[in-house]
Amino acid sequence: QQQVKQSPQSLIVQKGGISIINCAYENTAFDYFPWYQQFPGKGPALLIAIRPDVSEKKEGRFTISFNKSAKQFSLHIMDSQPGDSATYFCAASWGTYKYIFGTGTRLKVLA
Amino acid sequence: GAVVSQHPSWVICKSGTSVKIECRSLDFQATTMFWYRQFPKQSLMLMATSNEGSKATYEQGVEKDKFLINHASLTLSTLTVTSAHPEDSSFYICSAKLPSYEQYFGPGTRLTVT
Repeated sequence: QQQVKQSPQSLIVQKGGISIINCAYENTAFDYFPWYQQFPGKGPALLIAIRPDVSEKKEGRFTISFNKSAKQFSLHIMDSQPGDSATYFCAASWGTYKYIFGTGTRLKVLA
Repeated sequence: GAVVSQHPSWVICKSGTSVKIECRSLDFQATTMFWYRQFPKQSLMLMATSNEGSKATYEQGVEKDKFLINHASLTLSTLTVTSAHPEDSSFYICSAKLPSYEQYFGPGTRLTVT
């Protein structure tokens, strides 16, 4: 019940395309869902996060879609750029407790 | 804002020695910091939760006598890997938590034990 399942494991997208990464969870107590971007050899950087009281949140080219009934949330990267090539992690948390991370998605955007 | 630093960024040590890694929140106070370990091409594995002024809480399977954590102030937590062995070689990352939900991560420390 503590797991967060992330898919796909890897993703290749053409420049200008839309990258979509999905996560699913079981624990309905989760109430905070962040996405992190990590470049090789660097620490993860917070991209965008959502609470379950909204179904969508957009910041620039990054959008989180949240489906509470399906217990799923996804990250959409619009107009994907080669500079977006990185590993993306979803996570879930409840209260102010620790994060449960997904397994990561390696995104490659072709120029 | 919300910048977290780590020092050193990389370290090489001989087997049997100890190494200390510092994690600092530069522009905010963090009552809670977390220490993670990450193997190549894998997700972040939480090692322990560090609370200022109290003992760290270790995740199941993490040896607390090997990975000593001290959170002496609201801006500094340290991880000491004692009697390091080659299997301890890894990428160690800390994060600091705001009073809300957000966690901000440091740049990581690459430890190589020879």
